[in-house]
Amino acid sequence: DTGVSQDPRHKITKRGQNVTFRCDPISEHNRLYWYRQTLGQGPEFLTYFQNEAQLEKSRLLSDRFSAERPKGSFSTLEIQRTEQGDSAMYLCASSFRSLPQHFGDGTRLSIL
Amino acid sequence: SQELEQSPQSLIVQEGKNLTINCTSSKTLYGLYWYKQKYGEGLIFLMMLQKGGEEKSHEKITAKLDEKKQQSSLHITASQPSHAGIYLCGADWDNYGQNFVFGPGTRLSVLP
Repeated sequence: DTGVSQDPRHKITKRGQNVTFRCDPISEHNRLYWYRQTLGQGPEFLTYFQNEAQLEKSRLLSDRFSAERPKGSFSTLEIQRTEQGDSAMYLCASSFRSLPQHFGDGTRLSIL
Repeated sequence: SQELEQSPQSLIVQEGKNLTINCTSSKTLYGLYWYKQKYGEGLIFLMMLQKGGEEKSHEKITAKLDEKKQQSSLHITASQPSHAGIYLCGADWDNYGQNFVFGPGTRLSVLP
């Protein structure tokens, strides 16, 4: 049973650079979610796809954040012009129809 | 303000002891989910509770949702070092997964 896969596991970049993360959900799951988690906090919901449609994006943190799921399979989360405050763990989760969500191991982003 | 509160914030117990973690919601829940997270890793789904008064058990972990569906407890019997980690409760506000919120987490340490 292949779980949710995220790539890369770690990303270190300089402030101002663009970064892109990839998430491969469990194959039969039609829903895909992105979260951000900072130290000592629970995950914070960012956005949600059902198949290729992005049904909720109002909670993306700023217009520097965008996400895509072009064919309803894998998804990418891009952060443009990174800032120090973007340093966090970015988690992806997937589910079939309703919950529960199954999570990947996350991408840890560090901004120098 | 947090829509989900957890108590205690952290907990240190001796191996073999029982413990309880609480999760309180500011409003009625459609569903309450318990996850476990080890440092630097993704979330592992433990249990889902949807009905008032519902109780579920898995191995030595029991979770219960109160009748009013605003509070849940997670109880671990005879704790082991493998139980150590961060326990997070998550709430589904609209039953579609688009409005999912996590509590801040409870950090559990189990001393051998």
